[in-house]
Amino acid sequence: KAGVTQTPRYLIKTRGQQVTLSCSPISGHRSVSWYQQTPGQGLQFLFEYFSETQRNKGNFPGRFSGRQFSNSRSEMNVSTLELGDSALYLCASSLIGGQNTGELFFGEGSRLTVL
Amino acid sequence: GDSVTQMEGPVTLSEEAFLTINCTYTATGYPSLFWYVQYPGEGLQLLLKATKADDKGSNKGFEATYRKETTSFHLEKGSVQVSDSAVYFCAYSPLTGGFKTIFGAGTRLFVKA
Repeated sequence: KAGVTQTPRYLIKTRGQQVTLSCSPISGHRSVSWYQQTPGQGLQFLFEYFSETQRNKGNFPGRFSGRQFSNSRSEMNVSTLELGDSALYLCASSLIGGQNTGELFFGEGSRLTVL
Repeated sequence: GDSVTQMEGPVTLSEEAFLTINCTYTATGYPSLFWYVQYPGEGLQLLLKATKADDKGSNKGFEATYRKETTSFHLEKGSVQVSDSAVYFCAYSPLTGGFKTIFGAGTRLFVKA
């Protein structure tokens, strides 16, 4: 079974630009969560999607947005990039339903550098 | 609010030493508890989990016991190896009100040969 796939793996942007990151969950997983990982703040929850609906959102400004498609694939977008947005963005999928154990399956992340 | 506190690193040990990484949590309800591990250049992967009080999760020689009375889930391993060098994250998931997993800050472990 293929794991969680994130693209692109690495990208460099300049301040003021926007970026879109993509995540393909494990087949059959309907929940997708996004996290920002930085050395200073650790893993910060961005948002979680299930069946194309955002069910939870973390404490990030409105520049951070996301969506989920009918095939459970998800994208997140960051507009008007700031230097502080440089981070590893991790996507995680999970199974919802009777077999739900709360376990997250992570992708390898998209490393964003803002110059 | 809900939070996870784990011991600060880095932790440096010699091979075959005993490892303990402390983790305590503040949460309402009865969360499931997890330890995730992140090897260099990789995403996180589940190391072990426990879904109810007094459960012991174990994997690859690592163990952690869900202690509801002390709200703790300390990670232990009797004999670490160089290959255990990684960052370890304690986490919990309430399993109610939608999916949101809260992570601790992570503890970096270095194991010397």
